[in-house]
Amino acid sequence: DIQMTQSPSSLSASVGDRVTITCRASQGISTYLNWYQQKPGKAPKLLIYGISSLQSGVPSRFSGSGSGTDFTLTIGSLQPEDFASYYCQQTYTTPRTFGQGTKVEIK
Amino acid sequence: EVQLLESGGGLVQPGGSLRLSCAASGFTFSSYAMSWVRQAPGKGLEWVSGISGNGASTYYADSMKGRFTISRDNSKNTVYLQMNSLRADDTAVYYCAKEWVRAIDSWGQGTLVTVSS
Repeated sequence: DIQMTQSPSSLSASVGDRVTITCRASQGISTYLNWYQQKPGKAPKLLIYGISSLQSGVPSRFSGSGSGTDFTLTIGSLQPEDFASYYCQQTYTTPRTFGQGTKVEIK
Repeated sequence: EVQLLESGGGLVQPGGSLRLSCAASGFTFSSYAMSWVRQAPGKGLEWVSGISGNGASTYYADSMKGRFTISRDNSKNTVYLQMNSLRADDTAVYYCAKEWVRAIDSWGQGTLVTVSS
């Protein structure tokens, strides 16, 4: 199985900060890397698919980049509604594994 | 509007069985692969199983192989997850999910499965 390792596991940031979350795959996954946001008690929401494609309705302050095994989710200017948990997922092969998550908290 | 409505969760004893259902609407159901994803209390997301649009191909996480069975009825726009030999560590919220361009673009609200004596 492909292992997905996110870092950091949690971070504290202020409104307006630029935030970067990284995700590393245990082997190459081509372009099959997605990012999700989850708020407490809610289902996850797709933010980015295919490394860098922004899902419809998602604010442009969210962006994704990377290639091969190393990927990044960037929030350009953190907003109050962005405090949540974020997960990467590879869909290169099954099982379609998720990273362990990154919790973004208010500083 | 895409809607995914899970049902069938509840309390079950260790070693027991449960069948989850997910009724879909708002899209051409048979054209899309579907998945189940779970989340144990306070933990991260775990992909459980997936099925192709026509039901011919099924996929499972290693820890579910041989215990869980995914299926779908395209005439009823419903996907199922049959769970047997349940263990305490299967306790989780189970989400039904729709795949699009190899990403999950729609999620249900989740149904809680609790395995306990």
